[in-house]
Amino acid sequence: EAGVAQSPRYKIIEKRQSVAFWCNPISGHATLYWYQQILGQGPKLLIQFQNNGVVDDSQLPKDRFSAERLKGVDSTLKIQPAKLEDSAVYLCASSLAPSTSPYEQYFGPGTRLTVT
Amino acid sequence: AQTVTQSQPEMSVQEAETVTLSCTYDTSESNYYLFWYKQPPSRQMILVIRQEAYKQQNATENRFSVNFQKAAKSFSLKISDSQLGDTAMYFCAYSGSARQLTFGSGTQLTVLP
Repeated sequence: EAGVAQSPRYKIIEKRQSVAFWCNPISGHATLYWYQQILGQGPKLLIQFQNNGVVDDSQLPKDRFSAERLKGVDSTLKIQPAKLEDSAVYLCASSLAPSTSPYEQYFGPGTRLTVT
Repeated sequence: AQTVTQSQPEMSVQEAETVTLSCTYDTSESNYYLFWYKQPPSRQMILVIRQEAYKQQNATENRFSVNFQKAAKSFSLKISDSQLGDTAMYFCAYSGSARQLTFGSGTQLTVLP
């Protein structure tokens, strides 16, 4: 079974530029999450999707961050314009639908973003 | 809101010895899961072990076991026969009815040869 795929693995941009990250969850996983992990900290949830609908985006900085999950499969996370404090690892995770899952999430390898 | 606290930023252990990582959490929910994740330098978050709150028996996975004290809201990880490959950042995480993970700040474990 293929795991969660993410691209790119690394990205370096200048502040005020835009950037997009892509995630492909495990086949059949209805729930998809984006996390932000700042160096030295634990991951923090940005947004949670159930199929192609948003369940929770309360911690997403909506003035600069946006995310979508078209057709309930792949997802993209965009930052525009980027700030220095956005430098972090962006992790994507997926899980089965809530009624069938033991709450377990599977993570992708992450994208390391550096904003200069 | 749920919180997860890991009070040990760094720990080290000699190869083949046993080490225990501590975690406490706070919640008002009665049904939830607790996890320990391992994150090596590759950044891949790997599930080590999970514990269901309604199960009194402590979970065990090979060399990894937990001590789950529900009343005290404590969830520690014991690694037996430590190996060099166990060197990584370890995160304690909580998942409740919202199916979202709340992570602690992590413990960097170094296994010394």
